[in-house]
Amino acid sequence: DIQMTQSPSSLSASVGDRVTITCRASQSISDYLNWYQQKPGKAPKLLIYATSSLQSGVPSRFSGSGSGTEFTLTISTLQPEDFAAYYCQQSYTTPWTFGHGTKVEIK
Amino acid sequence: QVHLVQSGAEVKKPGASVKVSCKASGYTFDDFYIHWVRQAPGQGLEWMAWINPNSGGTTYAPRFQGRVSMTRDTSISTAYMELTRVTSDDTAIYYCARDQGYRSPSGLVGLDVWGQGTMVTVSS
Repeated sequence: DIQMTQSPSSLSASVGDRVTITCRASQSISDYLNWYQQKPGKAPKLLIYATSSLQSGVPSRFSGSGSGTEFTLTISTLQPEDFAAYYCQQSYTTPWTFGHGTKVEIK
Repeated sequence: QVHLVQSGAEVKKPGASVKVSCKASGYTFDDFYIHWVRQAPGQGLEWMAWINPNSGGTTYAPRFQGRVSMTRDTSISTAYMELTRVTSDDTAIYYCARDQGYRSPSGLVGLDVWGQGTMVTVSS
């Protein structure tokens, strides 16, 4: 299975901060990388697909980049509603695998 | 509005089977693969399988092979996930989710619609 390693596992940030989350794959996954946001008690929500494509309805402060094995999710200006857990997921090959998540908390 | 609505919470004894349903509405059920993802309490997300609603074809994660079965009933736009021989390690929220790729689990476009989740508790 392809292992997905996210860092950091958690971070504290303030409203208005720029936040970057990194995801590393154990082998090349081309651009088959998706990002999800999950709030407590809720189902995940698709933010970014194919590494850098913004899902419809998602604010433009979210962006994704990378290729091969290194990927990043950036929130340009953190808003109160962005405090949540974020997961990367590879869909290059089955079984699809997720990172362990990054919890973004209020500083 | 596209929706996936799952069946209610289940409590099972070790060794039993559990079957969760996922009813789709607001789109043509046959046109988009359905995936199942689970999340143990306080843990991350784990992909289990997908089903092609059009053909009934499935792909399972190896660790669930032989214990999980995905089926569908196109007449009522519903997908099912059955897990057999459950243990306490199977205690989790089970989600169904729609693949955004039209008639293909391309993976490149992600899972765009999710059910509300079904809590399955395994306890003696």
